[in-house]
Amino acid sequence: NAGVTQTPKFRVLKTGQSMTLLCAQDMNHEYMYWYRQDPGMGLRLIHYSVGEGTTAKGEVPDGYNVSRLKKQNFLLGLESAAPSQTSVYFCASRPGQGENLKKETQYFGPGTRLLVL
Amino acid sequence: AQSVTQPDIHITVSEGASLELRCNYSYGATPYLFWYVQSPGQGLQLLLKYFSGDTLVQGIKGFEAEFKRSQSSFNLRKPSVHWSDAAEYFCAVGFYSGGGADGLTFGKGTHLIIQP
Repeated sequence: NAGVTQTPKFRVLKTGQSMTLLCAQDMNHEYMYWYRQDPGMGLRLIHYSVGEGTTAKGEVPDGYNVSRLKKQNFLLGLESAAPSQTSVYFCASRPGQGENLKKETQYFGPGTRLLVL
Repeated sequence: AQSVTQPDIHITVSEGASLELRCNYSYGATPYLFWYVQSPGQGLQLLLKYFSGDTLVQGIKGFEAEFKRSQSSFNLRKPSVHWSDAAEYFCAVGFYSGGGADGLTFGKGTHLIIQP
């Protein structure tokens, strides 16, 4: 049981390049999230998914797209990277079912550090 | 919209001393409240959580937090800190409206420094 894993761990991009960040969870969780973490800003929600085939915008969705084709995977895409997207990206998941607090608790991956030059 | 305020950006505490990290939230409904800890270069680890019931909740690593509805606060405490507690601490509010908006709103974090 690996929990939440993220690929890659670190990436350097040039402005205008595209890339996809992969999040995978093996806990059969319904809900998945992408956050970005910037110095002094805490974590901010980019997009989330309440189930396979569904996605929704969070607080800072501009410049990102997501897909949830399989329940266990949540992909975050940058079509044309900008220096403002330099950040650490965290994926999280939660059960969404079961007793309170257990179903509402999010489990985080180790993060992907992205540098856009 | 919900918000979380952690008033202290940095806190320095001597090893063995007690600790209290402050968290205030703004949320229209009964909140799900969380404290996470992040060591340098690492992901987030859940320390404790609250939704209902006893307002004093116990977590891992000897941490506890008290929910005070009248003050909209959820402060984190530890009676005696260890050098290994040095890290970034985040308070978060969960908004789960069953079909509407979803996710966690985080505070900006408190950086805890432990003095020998």
